[in-house]
Amino acid sequence: AQKITQTQPGMFVQEKEAVTLDCTYDTSDPSYGLFWYKQPSSGEMIFLIYQGSYDQQNATEGRYSLNFQKARKSANLVISASQLGDSAMYFCAMRDAGNNRKLIWGLGTSLAVNP
Amino acid sequence: GAVVSQHPSRVICKSGTSVKIECRSLDFQATTMFWYRQFPKQSLMLMATSNEGSKATYEQGVEKDKFLINHASLTLSTLTVTSAHPEDSSFYICSARQGVYGYTFGSGTRLTVV
Repeated sequence: AQKITQTQPGMFVQEKEAVTLDCTYDTSDPSYGLFWYKQPSSGEMIFLIYQGSYDQQNATEGRYSLNFQKARKSANLVISASQLGDSAMYFCAMRDAGNNRKLIWGLGTSLAVNP
Repeated sequence: GAVVSQHPSRVICKSGTSVKIECRSLDFQATTMFWYRQFPKQSLMLMATSNEGSKATYEQGVEKDKFLINHASLTLSTLTVTSAHPEDSSFYICSARQGVYGYTFGSGTRLTVV
């Protein structure tokens, strides 16, 4: 069965430093997609970055980059130069291979950026 | 970019009444709509998946008669919580899938049943 594992319930980082949020996945489907979302206290889900299983390069979006290690089945999110506004919940998700292509979610990591 | 408008953002209702939550895709046609429930400090829990013009597919353990989902058009899906009780109080959020890669979320609805 497809599964997403986020093992860090909470993380702290100093402002302006980089932080890595861990995500491992399990799937037998050779074609899959991995997503990271940010959820601030307001509740909205903000798309951060996407990595396809066949993408040759690691995805990057501004201060966000995805450290994709296919053999290890890991898709860690790296946030560079942390800002106070980065404090939020972060969820890793994988697109299900079924017809509806629902997302399989990790439990999330709560990130707190300290000034 | 793609936008999903979700209303209301907050609602308080009396126990035993029904509440309707709407999600509307504003500038694209949503092939599939996902409805989630989220408890504080927890992950999103998929309740059901709806495709336009067909019956929703509910996840195991979700009461179909309590959580009615209608996806009458490619731009509108609704979730009705019937005969609401305090244990139905939660954060409900919809997500519209556009193509293979696009998942656009509504802003969520905080339901409080008193």
